[in-house]
Amino acid sequence: DAGVTQSPTHLIKTRGQQVTLRCSPKSGHDTVSWYQQALGQGPQFIFQYYEEEERQRGNFPDRFSGHQFPNYSSELNVNALLLGDSALYLCASSLGPIMSPLHFGNGTRLTVT
Amino acid sequence: AQRVTQPEKLLSVFKGAPVELKCNYSYSGSPELFWYVQYSRQRLQLLLRHISRESIKGFTADLNKGETSFHLKKPFAQEEDSAMYYCALSPNFGNEKLTFGTGTRLTIIP
Repeated sequence: DAGVTQSPTHLIKTRGQQVTLRCSPKSGHDTVSWYQQALGQGPQFIFQYYEEEERQRGNFPDRFSGHQFPNYSSELNVNALLLGDSALYLCASSLGPIMSPLHFGNGTRLTVT
Repeated sequence: AQRVTQPEKLLSVFKGAPVELKCNYSYSGSPELFWYVQYSRQRLQLLLRHISRESIKGFTADLNKGETSFHLKKPFAQEEDSAMYYCALSPNFGNEKLTFGTGTRLTIIP
């Protein structure tokens, strides 16, 4: 079992561009959550997807959007990139949106120049 | 708004000595508390959660609602305990919308 996989591992973008990050959940998991981790900080909740719908959302602007596909994989899209969007983006999957422990991926390191 | 505070960024402890990683939280309701750990070159993983009341790898954590704390403790530190530890809070019963602290890097001195 490969666990949660994220792609790409690293990404460099220019301010104003758009980016798409991808996540495949652990086998058997149906819920995906996204977190942003700035340098020296703890992960910060962006949103959670379950049954192809955004179920919960953190305090992030509408520039951050997502999608969940029928196979439970997920994408995180960020439009109009700002320098402050530079961070490690973590995907976590779980069985159901509430009680099952989160399993994290290794993350995608996004650098905005 | 909910907040999790881990006052120590770095903590060094000798092997065999007791370990205590501090976590304080602010939340008006009844939160669920977690400890996550990240070992070197590994992904973030759940260590323990309050509702389970388990001891994992010798670690325990007690929720003190009066002091709004959820400190992580181990009586005898081992070298393999060296890692980054994050305390996290969920406003609901489960693992939704976690708020993480800034983490404590624990180093066990041989």
